[in-house]
Amino acid sequence: QLQLQESGPGLVKPSETLSLTCTVSGDSIISKTYYWGWIRQPPGKGLEWIASIYYTGSNYYNPSLKSRVTISVDTSKNQVSLKLSPVTAADTAVFYCVRDWRFKYSFDNWGQGTLVTVSS
Amino acid sequence: QSALTQFASVSGSPGQSITISCTGTSSDVGGYNSVSWYQQHPGKAPKLMIYDVSNRPSGVSDRFSGSKSGNTASLTISGLQAEDEADYYCSSYTSTSTLYVFGTGTKVTVL
Repeated sequence: QLQLQESGPGLVKPSETLSLTCTVSGDSIISKTYYWGWIRQPPGKGLEWIASIYYTGSNYYNPSLKSRVTISVDTSKNQVSLKLSPVTAADTAVFYCVRDWRFKYSFDNWGQGTLVTVSS
Repeated sequence: QSALTQFASVSGSPGQSITISCTGTSSDVGGYNSVSWYQQHPGKAPKLMIYDVSNRPSGVSDRFSGSKSGNTASLTISGLQAEDEADYYCSSYTSTSTLYVFGTGTKVTVL
């Protein structure tokens, strides 16, 4: 059974870098069918797609965040990582790791999510 | 890229049918059959309920159905049950550089 597990600091200071890792188990990241990505949800608000990446490293970013975001993949560890810098309080959110079913433009598997708070 | 428009809340009694709408533009909902719907219970991750406008992933109840007309997509929940009380978000592929756009979300309350 596919599982996506996010990990990383729950508290980040303003102007610093938010770094998250998603460990995929139950399936290989090396898939011709799926991308792997990140979606965030500020407390009490809606969902926002951040970025997605293919196992080859080909990636797509939300233009509104592109200048601050880096997504990467480590096939040897079956992991996808996200960096967001610099952060402000507006970046406080639950961050979800997702499997991006690109053929269907939908997200068919989600991690449980991890809350990252930006505060000094 | 603006979010897709959804009504903030919809309610219904057990056993009734309700419909949630999602309005976009010809660059997203109206232009492509790539609309998805997600159910999110409080404190939980969203769950894919519908993809490609009207297709259900394996394991999703057939009480959930999707459709589209012009720039508006709809999710219908038939035979409403207490467990259906949740937030629902639509999403669409968009031909703008954003690639994916989500709806503003609809809170479904079972009376």
